Amino acid sequence: EIEMTQTPLSSAVTLGQPASISCRSSQSLVHSSGHTYLSWLHQRPGQPPRLLIYKVSNRFSGVPDRFSGSGAGTDFTLKISRVEAEDVGIYYCMQATHFPPFTFGQGTKLEIK
Amino acid sequence: QVQLQESGPGLVKPSETLSLTCRVSGDSISNHYWNWIRQPAGKGLEWIGRIYITGRPEYNPSLESRVTMSLDTSKNQFSLNLSFVTAADTAIYYCARNVGDWYLYSFDIWGQGTMVTVSP
Repeated sequence: EIEMTQTPLSSAVTLGQPASISCRSSQSLVHSSGHTYLSWLHQRPGQPPRLLIYKVSNRFSGVPDRFSGSGAGTDFTLKISRVEAEDVGIYYCMQATHFPPFTFGQGTKLEIK
Repeated sequence: QVQLQESGPGLVKPSETLSLTCRVSGDSISNHYWNWIRQPAGKGLEWIGRIYITGRPEYNPSLESRVTMSLDTSKNQFSLNLSFVTAADTAIYYCARNVGDWYLYSFDIWGQGTMVTVSP
């Protein structure tokens, strides 16, 4: 099973400032197809997760462009260019390359300073 | 608008079977892969398994010996059975739809989740 490790586990950011979350996988997430199946999800308190980014850097439908994803192989990053109040919650990276199973990082809690 | 709604008992006794149903509205259950994912309180996400209209369900190897999933096309819903539960199975259980192109890489629609507690 692929282990996904996120850092930091929590972060407090001032409104309007950038935020960055890292995710590292225990094996390369490059699929035999050449694609890399790493996605990012956001979970607000009391809500189910919602998809933000798929295949490393593609924003899902309706996701603001202040969210961006990057990385390759085993190291990936989610960046928020200017944090807004609605961005609080927990962010998870997730891999689908080495399925089954789908596996998730442990989550990074984002708070407003 | 596609919506998923989980239902089932909120309390299950140890060693018994947890049974949940996810009702799908706004989409045909025959068109997609459907998943169960759980989240213990204050903890991360664990994928349990998925099912499609054809083929065999796919389960997390860590739970495979206790998990059964099924589809009911007449009711447009799918179900989860988890046997021999313990306190470690206490969690919020979500149903979710797979999303992807030729490869299913994440989840785009989630239910609100249902809390299941395992306790005598």
